[in-house]
Amino acid sequence: GAVVSQHPSRVICKSGTSVKIECRSLDFQATTMFWYRQFPKQSLMLMATSNEGSKATYEQGVEKDKFLINHASLTLSTLTVTSAHPEDSSFYICSARVGGHEQFFGPGTRLTVL
Amino acid sequence: AQKVTQAQTEISVVEKEDVTLDCVYETRDTTYYLFWYKQPPSGELVFLIRRNSFDEQNEISGRYSWNFQKSTSSFNFTITASQVVDSAVYFCALDTGTASKLTFGTGTRLQVTL
Repeated sequence: GAVVSQHPSRVICKSGTSVKIECRSLDFQATTMFWYRQFPKQSLMLMATSNEGSKATYEQGVEKDKFLINHASLTLSTLTVTSAHPEDSSFYICSARVGGHEQFFGPGTRLTVL
Repeated sequence: AQKVTQAQTEISVVEKEDVTLDCVYETRDTTYYLFWYKQPPSGELVFLIRRNSFDEQNEISGRYSWNFQKSTSSFNFTITASQVVDSAVYFCALDTGTASKLTFGTGTRLQVTL
């Protein structure tokens, strides 16, 4: 149980385009979902926390107009990187939490912006 | 504020050696949770252990063991008789009742060679 999927696993796009990443909890309903970004050889940095049906809470320094998060249901959250640029190239990881303090992580999405 | 320090950036050992990965945390909360995750080259985070602040009992799981000491705010991880498959980046993380989000350490890259 407690499986989280992400789609796509890898995406390459041209500079200026928008990219949408989906995060799904497959066998449970997640009250909260989290989005992280990880640059090469660095740690995971929390970008935002989202609860179903409400606006996401962004961490300091994360542009909410650039990284759009939609948490439409208890099993789906999406992250849209708008007008992506090469510096947005990174590994994006989502996680989902039912309650308590354990998060279940997705396999990650590797974004490359040319 | 909460903080996790993993002072060892990279460790290299020969197979069958024991290795300890250090983790020191900071928090003012009395209730908190500590985690260890493994991140192999594929990128997917693998959950290893969760420990709450009220349970200082050490844990052993096969070749893995964890030493939690509140007096020194440390939660160290030991791999006994290391194997090549243990090569990965290991992250220590902290979640407090107040913040209710994970703060990751910078990670320790473990290289196990034959």
